[in-house]
Amino acid sequence: DIQMTQSPSSLSASVGDRVTITCRASQTISTYLNWYQQKPGKAPKVLIFGASGLQGGVPSRFSGSGSGTHFTLTIASLQPEDFATYYCQQSYTTPTWTFGQGTKVVIK
Amino acid sequence: QVQLQESGPGLVKPSETLSLTCSVSGDSISSYQWTWIRRPPGKGLEWIGYISNTGNTNYNPSLKSRVTISVDTSKNQFSLKVSSVTAADTAVYYCARDWYSSGWRVLDPWGQGTLVTVSS
Repeated sequence: DIQMTQSPSSLSASVGDRVTITCRASQTISTYLNWYQQKPGKAPKVLIFGASGLQGGVPSRFSGSGSGTHFTLTIASLQPEDFATYYCQQSYTTPTWTFGQGTKVVIK
Repeated sequence: QVQLQESGPGLVKPSETLSLTCSVSGDSISSYQWTWIRRPPGKGLEWIGYISNTGNTNYNPSLKSRVTISVDTSKNQFSLKVSSVTAADTAVYYCARDWYSSGWRVLDPWGQGTLVTVSS
């Protein structure tokens, strides 16, 4: 099974900060990596597909990069509505999906 | 626009069977593939299983012996059953569409989720 490990598990940041979240796969997954955002009480929504593709309607301050086993999600300038939990997910072994454990972004 | 809504009992007794339904609106359920995911309290997301538009299923190996996913095309719904539940099955359960965004497979959209508590 492919394991996904995110870091950090939580971070505190201020509005306007640049934020980077890392996701590592236990084996190579090419660029079969998606990122999701989940706000409290809400359903997760996809932000990034294929490691770097921006889902329609997602602000351009969000970006993804990486390939193989190392991936990052960057928020260029954190906005109040971005405080949420972020999950990476590998789609290399679909339809068997694996998620990272999540990174909670909180207000400093 | 496809929308999903989970429904089912919020409380299930240990050793009994958890049953949830996901109602799909906005398109035919036969056009896509569907997935169940859960999030236990204080933990991350766990993929439960998948059903294709032809009825093929694939389950998380850790749950495979207890899980059944099925589709009712007449009602535009798909369902999840988890047998012999324990407190470890307490979670928010989500249904989601499994499809392609610009050629990449994603889960989108998701239902709002429903909390299921296993307790006597």
